[in-house]
Amino acid sequence: LAKTTQPISMDSYEGQEVNITCSHNNIATNDYITWYQQFPSQGPRFIIQGYKTKVTNEVASLFIPADRKSSTLSLPRVSLSDTAVYYCLVGDRNYGGSQGNLIFGKGTKLSVKP
Amino acid sequence: GAVVSQHPSRVICKSGTSVKIECRSLDFQATTMFWYRQFPKKSLMLMATSNEGSKATYEQGVEKDKFLINHASLTLSTLTVTSAHPEDSSFYICSARSHNEQFFGPGTRLTVL
Repeated sequence: LAKTTQPISMDSYEGQEVNITCSHNNIATNDYITWYQQFPSQGPRFIIQGYKTKVTNEVASLFIPADRKSSTLSLPRVSLSDTAVYYCLVGDRNYGGSQGNLIFGKGTKLSVKP
Repeated sequence: GAVVSQHPSRVICKSGTSVKIECRSLDFQATTMFWYRQFPKKSLMLMATSNEGSKATYEQGVEKDKFLINHASLTLSTLTVTSAHPEDSSFYICSARSHNEQFFGPGTRLTVL
């Protein structure tokens, strides 16, 4: 099971672009990379998922280099409401439990200031 | 996206009592649901995988006789904390898989006095 390493915390200001990098050196061939956002006392919310290169949706972009040993979540023009904990998960999305991408690391606490 | 609900959202109980938490997938069928526990300022810890019509699979260190999981239908899984103690106070979150996405419930705050 691939483990992930993220910065514990990051600070930013409103309107800036925020990039959060996740290291997953032991990523397997079948593994996908998924990012979740969690606000206090709420369940995690899916942000984006990718396998390689770049994925973009309406809220974020995910950059994955060719070796897939890391990934970067990019949040364009953050606002105060983006203050949350962001989790990077790596695993085979067809499996659950200990074999799947459902094991959460410590996450990155993003604080957006006015 | 798909919606997962939990009930209750918050519960306070006395030590020694049992508490049941429900997790429902509202607009999709989930053959597999998952239960997590989260302590303050900590990450989510996977407790068990709940499979419809079969016994749950518990993670190492999680007592299956204390945390009873029942997945009676494709839209409902329940977690019962038996003989709850103050150290069981935590935020319990369920999730369900729809296709290749994982959807999480809003969580249940359990406080054991």
